[in-house]
Amino acid sequence: DGGITQSPKYLFRKEGQNVTLSCEQNLNHDAMYWYRQDPGQGLRLIYYSQIVNDFQKGDIAEGYSVSREKKESFPLTVTSAQKNPTAFYLCASSSSKGIGNQPQHFGDGTRLSIL
Amino acid sequence: GQSLEQPSEVTAVEGAIVQINCTYQTSGFYGLSWYQQHDGGAPTFLSYNALDGLEETGRFSSFLSRSDSYGYLLLQELQMKDSASYFCAVRRVTGFQKLVFGTGTRLLVSP
Repeated sequence: DGGITQSPKYLFRKEGQNVTLSCEQNLNHDAMYWYRQDPGQGLRLIYYSQIVNDFQKGDIAEGYSVSREKKESFPLTVTSAQKNPTAFYLCASSSSKGIGNQPQHFGDGTRLSIL
Repeated sequence: GQSLEQPSEVTAVEGAIVQINCTYQTSGFYGLSWYQQHDGGAPTFLSYNALDGLEETGRFSSFLSRSDSYGYLLLQELQMKDSASYFCAVRRVTGFQKLVFGTGTRLLVSP
């Protein structure tokens, strides 16, 4: 079955450390997204990518970086510059074909905590 | 800028009908979506309204009034498994398929 796989499910970061969250999809979607979710809050867009080798900053990109070298993969790095990284991180993808609605499909998330 | 307002929490009993409202202010608008998220899980797509009116999908319906910048999700014949958070999201005209999500409404269904 097609879907989005995020790993790891839980991740712990030490002060001053960079960590990378994995996101892989086999839905053949062009577009991929990273969101951050804090307790009791909505999803905030960190970065998104419309196509391979291209990505754009979202609303809260500071302290994060991404790459899109393959269509299937969109890893997110939480750098030491992100001073409050504890959150639930969700990766999503969608088709970009047509002008109608293209629902976003989400992975099961990675919960990042500070040691 | 953009903002979407939802009630933080709604409670109901099994078998009842509940309506979750969403009001939005956005500089661009291309449709209103609804997503469901169980605790600790992945959001899943429920419905989408591009035009004014009611869209029905089984027990769930979604309504949009663009002139009022308002929409709602209607859940009928509530079941315990419907206990979850529900998010409305605006698709912006200028933002590709980029969505802006509301703050979410936590629905608690009791026996």
